[in-house]
Amino acid sequence: AQTVTQSQPEMSVQEAETVTLSCTYDTSESDYYLFWYKQPPSRQMILVIRQEAYKQQNATENRFSVNFQKAAKSFSLKISDSQLGDAAMYFCAYRSAQGGSEKLVFGKGTKLTVNP
Amino acid sequence: EPEVTQTPSHQVTQMGQEVILRCVPISNHLYFYWYRQILGQKVEFLVSFYNNEISEKSEIFDDQFSVERPDGSNFTLKIRSTKLEDSAMYFCARGGRASIQYFGAGTRLSVL
Repeated sequence: AQTVTQSQPEMSVQEAETVTLSCTYDTSESDYYLFWYKQPPSRQMILVIRQEAYKQQNATENRFSVNFQKAAKSFSLKISDSQLGDAAMYFCAYRSAQGGSEKLVFGKGTKLTVNP
Repeated sequence: EPEVTQTPSHQVTQMGQEVILRCVPISNHLYFYWYRQILGQKVEFLVSFYNNEISEKSEIFDDQFSVERPDGSNFTLKIRSTKLEDSAMYFCARGGRASIQYFGAGTRLSVL
């Protein structure tokens, strides 16, 4: 079974600075998807960024980018120019791209605080 | 892409009662999922539903849970006899392009 580990329960960053959230995962599969979801205090899950395992190029979405290291099974999220609205729980998630399973497997999350 | 609408936003029930949580897609989608998040814990998969059938379920999704799409539109999660430990946020998600799942705002279930 796949597992996702987020080793940082909490992180903080100064407004306008850069922060990196860590995520590692365990799988025997070669084809899969990885996601970062944001959960603000409203508790809605909002997609931040997505990465396909077969693509070597790291995904980017405006101020958000990932460092995907397939061999190391690492998928970190970098937030540049942090804004107060970035404060939230961030969840890393894994989804198989083979075998028919579509479920997302989530990590325990990292609570990000942005200080003004 | 739009997500799904979940109702109610907050449901309070007595232990042993049945509850039905609803998920209304914005347009006609085929893939749906239910997840739950116990307060302070990670989000856990419950069940996936494709073309009006369960395609996958987790160990959590036991006989007290059921899902259906009774009118071809609303997608419901029923908990037959609620327990205290069922208190959680329940999220509905729909499948979208590029294997992305789009989540609703969730229903907070409080079992007293």
